[in-house]
Amino acid sequence: ETGVTQTPRHLVMGMTNKKSLKCEQHLGHNAMYWYKQSAKKPLELMFVYSLEERVENNSVPSRFSPECPNSSHLFLHLHTLQPEDSALYLCASSQFSSGANVLTFGAGSRLTVL
Amino acid sequence: SQQGEEDPQALSIQEGENATMNCSYKTSINNLQWYRQNSGRGLVHLILIRSNEREKHSGRLRVTLDTSKKSSSLLITASRAADTASYFCATGDTGFQKLVFGTGTRLLVSP
Repeated sequence: ETGVTQTPRHLVMGMTNKKSLKCEQHLGHNAMYWYKQSAKKPLELMFVYSLEERVENNSVPSRFSPECPNSSHLFLHLHTLQPEDSALYLCASSQFSSGANVLTFGAGSRLTVL
Repeated sequence: SQQGEEDPQALSIQEGENATMNCSYKTSINNLQWYRQNSGRGLVHLILIRSNEREKHSGRLRVTLDTSKKSSSLLITASRAADTASYFCATGDTGFQKLVFGTGTRLLVSP
C-alpha cells in the first residue's frame, strides 16, 4: 500500500456509459495527478491539481473531466468514451516544492471500453 | 519535448548478472528520476539525481547522469528474479516540475 488508493481497480464500460474513477491520498501531499498509460506509449500526463490550481493537458478530450474537491481526493469522470480510451489510468500525488517533485502512484484503474 | 527515451526497450538476463538501462532526454533538466513498475501496477520511485550530481547510489542501484550528453544510466547489480519489472526515467524541469516519462525498459530476470 503506497498511501494512494484508486478505485475501482478494473472497470468495463460501454461507449454510452458514464462512470468515475476515484483516487484518495493519505500522505498529506499538496498535488495530485492523473496519468494515462497505453501499451507501447509514454505515460501521458492528463491533469494536475497543485495548490488548488488545475493545470490540464490541452490534448485531453473533453469526455474526460477531472474533479478535485479537496487536497486528498481526485476524481476522473468519464462519459461517451471511445475504445481507444482503454488503458491503465494512474493517479499520483506529491508534495510539490521548487526542489524536486517525487510522485507516489496508486495501483491504477484498468479501463476497458467496449 | 524533454521526453526521456529508454534503451534498450527490453532486456533479459540471468539472476546474479548486472542490468544496465539508459535514458536520453532532449532539453535542460532540474533532476532526473527512475521509477519501477511491476506488471499492471503503479510506478514506484527508485532514485532521484539532480542536475549538479554525476552519480548516486541506493542499495544495489547506481545511477549516473551526464548532462553534457543529456543521458542517464541505471545499473542494477546482482539482479534477482524480483527485479523483473519495467523501468522508467522521468525528467523534471524547473518551475512547475511536470514530470515527463519515457516508454520504459522491460527487464526480465530469470532464475
